[in-house]
Amino acid sequence: GNSVTQMEGPVTLSEEAFLTINCTYTATGYPSLFWYVQYPGEGLQLLLKATKADDKGSNKGFEATYRKETTSFHLEKGSVQVSDSAVYFCALSDRANTDKLIFGTGTRLQVFP
Amino acid sequence: DADVTQTPRNRITKTGKRIMLECSQTKGHDRMYWYRQDPGLGLRLIYYSFDVKDINKGEISDGYSVSRQAQAKFSLSLESAIPNQTALYFCATSAPGTSGSDEQFFGPGTRLTVL
Repeated sequence: GNSVTQMEGPVTLSEEAFLTINCTYTATGYPSLFWYVQYPGEGLQLLLKATKADDKGSNKGFEATYRKETTSFHLEKGSVQVSDSAVYFCALSDRANTDKLIFGTGTRLQVFP
Repeated sequence: DADVTQTPRNRITKTGKRIMLECSQTKGHDRMYWYRQDPGLGLRLIYYSFDVKDINKGEISDGYSVSRQAQAKFSLSLESAIPNQTALYFCATSAPGTSGSDEQFFGPGTRLTVL
């Protein structure tokens, strides 16, 4: 079945450091891929998405590229801020069930000044 | 005002008690979902509803039931709560799209503790 694997956290960085959070997936067909972010005490909100191979999603300085050949959707940011501290979830949606999301386990990011 | 609201935000209860968690949305979306979040396990789907007359089980529906009272309201019930149902519960909504990349909109969550 479909699944998403994320790197375990926490990821601890100093402000302005480069961020990579790895995400790989297993899916039949061609899923859409998402990154959601959960700030402390809040629900999840969509950070970025990509719907087909080689698409790049971007938002708030974060980027992720849909890599079909490596079944990956790694999240990157060139210079993190303290305000980026949150839990990040990679997810996919099955085209046959377009609204059902399958989530990874989440990666906690802690950014220190 | 928030588009997706959940009540209560926090609840502590005892084993065997019946609990209802409520979700309301003002987004006008047909599709609603209930997830639970556990440390190290991410989010898992409990139930989902694609419209008022359509209710479906998710991957972990045992011990839970739902009611879709209206397009805007979707309630989750624990008929007889047990300690391993202690978790953070999220409601979400979405609307059908054409690109296969439908975004889900999440409520703030309900933290449930079963003693």
